[in-house]
Amino acid sequence: LAKTTQPISMDSYEGQEVNITCSHNNIATNDYITWYQQFPSQGPRFIIQGYKTKVTNEVASLFIPADRKSSTLSLPRVSLSDTAVYYCLVGVVNYGQNFVFGPGTRLSVLP
Amino acid sequence: GAGVSQSPRYKVTKRGQDVTLRCDPISSHATLYWYQQALGQGPEFLTYFNYEAQPDKSGLPSDRFSAERPEGSISTLTIQRTEQRDSAMYRCASSQQGTAGELFFGEGSRLTVL
Repeated sequence: LAKTTQPISMDSYEGQEVNITCSHNNIATNDYITWYQQFPSQGPRFIIQGYKTKVTNEVASLFIPADRKSSTLSLPRVSLSDTAVYYCLVGVVNYGQNFVFGPGTRLSVLP
Repeated sequence: GAGVSQSPRYKVTKRGQDVTLRCDPISSHATLYWYQQALGQGPEFLTYFNYEAQPDKSGLPSDRFSAERPEGSISTLTIQRTEQRDSAMYRCASSQQGTAGELFFGEGSRLTVL
């Protein structure tokens, strides 16, 4: 399984764009990249998933370079409610596997 | 069900007692996962099921931990002879067959061992 590396924490201010980068140097050909958000006292929640290039939804954008050894989650115009822990996972389309969460990135949005 | 349901939400037990936690996944989901999450840490994989099969239980910390999913739907996680270090949030998640990582998590069961 590809291991991921993310910054432990980040600070931002309301209204700013936040970019969180995840390194996954050993990503396999069939692996997808998935990001989760976790608020205190809640379970992780799916944000976005991609395989290559760029994916955008109503919450975030995901940028994946051609070599796929890293990915960047972009949160536009963050608000205080975006304060959470963000996890990057890589995994293969399969009949289930042991998806591994790392320590994640603790994002603090300040007023 | 509409979402992943876990019970009990909170469990306080004395050291040495056995506890069983239950997970009811989204009804159409073939795959079910158990994670352990300590305060301030990311979820740690314990085990997963594809229907009733349990392909990987490498994350179970010791032989005191066991999980089953006999009919491929509801799952239980049992911890025998609980120890204080077992105190954590236990999270269950489910996913559809053939997805690459969209897990749907329940609210979790917080276990406190005194």
